[in-house]
Amino acid sequence: EDQVTQSPEALRLQEGESSSLNCSYTVSGLRGLFWYRQDPGKGPEFLFTLYSAGEEKEKERLKATLTKKESFLHITAPKPEDSATYLCAVQSIQGAQKLVFGQGTRLTINP
Amino acid sequence: DTGVSQDPRHKITKRGQNVTFRCDPISEHNRLYWYRQTLGQGPEFLTYFQNEAQLEKSRLLSDRFSAERPKGSFSTLEIQRTEQGDSAMYLCASSSGQGWYEQYFGPGTRLTVT
Repeated sequence: EDQVTQSPEALRLQEGESSSLNCSYTVSGLRGLFWYRQDPGKGPEFLFTLYSAGEEKEKERLKATLTKKESFLHITAPKPEDSATYLCAVQSIQGAQKLVFGQGTRLTINP
Repeated sequence: DTGVSQDPRHKITKRGQNVTFRCDPISEHNRLYWYRQTLGQGPEFLTYFQNEAQLEKSRLLSDRFSAERPKGSFSTLEIQRTEQGDSAMYLCASSSGQGWYEQYFGPGTRLTVT
């Protein structure tokens, strides 16, 4: 069964303090690994898709990387507006279209 | 290009009542998904449509739940005889079938069963 585990569950940083969020996964053939941002009371907002080990993608202060067992979301010099829950999900190549999500990392950036 | 829309945004109902939610996907997206999310957890897959065909259903989708996409455009999710355990955020997502797999989510419908 496909599984995603994110760590830490919650992370508090000072503005400008860089860090990384971890997403460990097991999947029966990876079609894609997805990162989403979710603000309280809203739906997830798509950030990145990674398809193969070694791939990296960047958007503003965020950079996502992928290995065969995990993905990292690096946040550089974060600002308070980066505070949100970050969700990781995988999609299998075994015909299924569903995304399997982790429980998320709740990120708080203090000014 | 408008995003995925869901209606209503909030629904409060009494246990035992039936409720129906609507989802309008991004235009020209032929794939539509329903997920359920409880507090502090990631979304859990419920069901998936390609055009009007329901191709996949989760074991979470008990016989009290039914989803339709009659013309391959909007979709409805109905919950019959609601229970307090049905209280959650119900999320709809859509994606293009053109080789890109990103799913774009709507704002969700928050259901509270009292």
